[in-house]
Amino acid sequence: GAVVSQHPSWVICKSGTSVKIECRSLDFQATTMFWYRQFPKQSLMLMATSNEGSKATYEQGVEKDKFLINHASLTLSTLTVTSAHPEDSSFYICSARRGQGGGANYGYTFGSGTRLTVV
Amino acid sequence: AQTVTQSQPEMSVQEAETVTLSCTYDTSESDYYLFWYKQPPSRQMILVIRQEAYKQQNATENRFSVNFQKAAKSFSLKISDSQLGDAAMYFCAMDSNYQLIWGAGTKLIIKP
Repeated sequence: GAVVSQHPSWVICKSGTSVKIECRSLDFQATTMFWYRQFPKQSLMLMATSNEGSKATYEQGVEKDKFLINHASLTLSTLTVTSAHPEDSSFYICSARRGQGGGANYGYTFGSGTRLTVV
Repeated sequence: AQTVTQSQPEMSVQEAETVTLSCTYDTSESDYYLFWYKQPPSRQMILVIRQEAYKQQNATENRFSVNFQKAAKSFSLKISDSQLGDAAMYFCAMDSNYQLIWGAGTKLIIKP
């Protein structure tokens, strides 16, 4: 149980184009999802937190207009990298929080990640 | 500020031996969760073990166990009978205000 499906697993796009990454919780409802960026040999860097039906909360330094996040349902959040440039090339990971604090089921489930290469 | 520190960038252990990965953290909260995640070369984040701060008993999951010292704000991971499949990056994380704060990670190498 508690699976998060992330697609695509890898994508190559031309500079200036937009790319959409999807993150779906398959067997639970995810009120809150998180988007991370991970550089090689580094830890996860939180980009934004998305709550179903409301605007995402972006971390300081993350461009809202470049990284568009939509969390339209309890099972789907999307990250769109707009007007992508080579410096946006990275590994992007989504995560969904499940359960309630204090509950046995409480925790975070991660997608398998998307490797984005902008050429 | 809430922080998580992993002071060991890399650790190596002989197969079948035991290794301990260190993690310290800082928080003003009294109730929180702590996690260890494993990230193998596939880069899929896998939950290894979870500890609730209000529980004094150390969490265990088969060959994985933690030494949780709340007063010292320490949360180390012990891996017993290390296997080749344990080779990965290991991240310590703290759940603060329903958001994860991450350590820098420790690369674990298993020597056959």
